[in-house]
Amino acid sequence: AQSVAQPEDQVNVAEGNPLTVKCTYSVSGNPYLFWYVQYPNRGLQFLLKYITGDNLVKGSYGFEAEFNKSQTSFHLKKPSALVSDSALYFCAVSPTGGGNKLTFGTGTQLKVEL
Amino acid sequence: GAVVSQHPSRVICKSGTSVKIECRSLDFQATTMFWYRQFPKQSLMLMATSNEGSKATYEQGVEKDKFLINHASLTLSTLTVTSAHPEDSSFYICSARSDGNQPQHFGDGTRLSIL
Repeated sequence: AQSVAQPEDQVNVAEGNPLTVKCTYSVSGNPYLFWYVQYPNRGLQFLLKYITGDNLVKGSYGFEAEFNKSQTSFHLKKPSALVSDSALYFCAVSPTGGGNKLTFGTGTQLKVEL
Repeated sequence: GAVVSQHPSRVICKSGTSVKIECRSLDFQATTMFWYRQFPKQSLMLMATSNEGSKATYEQGVEKDKFLINHASLTLSTLTVTSAHPEDSSFYICSARSDGNQPQHFGDGTRLSIL
């Protein structure tokens, strides 16, 4: 069975500072990995995905994530945080060709302060 | 691109009412649509997966007679909560994808409140 862990319920960072939101996964075979962001009372917005290729994936709004197979991690990063980045972030995994059922982490609330 | 529209955004109704939620892919053909339920401050729980023209596949513990799913076309799936009760109150979110390598794109969700 596949699983995703987001060890931090909340991450606080000052605007302009780099941010990292952590994610580790467990899945058989090669994973498809995703990051989504959710604003209050809204659905999820797709940020980026890793399927194969370069371990550093660049996505929307200046976000990027690094796939690390040995550590089974897929941490989300941004060099300079904005107050508008404050939201709930979900990491998700799908097994290779597995009908694309996503398993989500529990989410990390990112708070960017002035 | 890849816009998913979900309607209505909010429903308040009496216990015993049936409620239909629509999920439309506006600019792509969705071979597969997914329905999720999200409780406050929790992650998304997959309820069912629907493929166009075939019966939905429900996750364990989800009552298929309670949550009726129809995926009649490549751009529309509906979820009907039949004889809704207060415990069915939740945030329901749909998603759609075009093929296996594409990410799921999500609607904005429906806040269902049963009085």
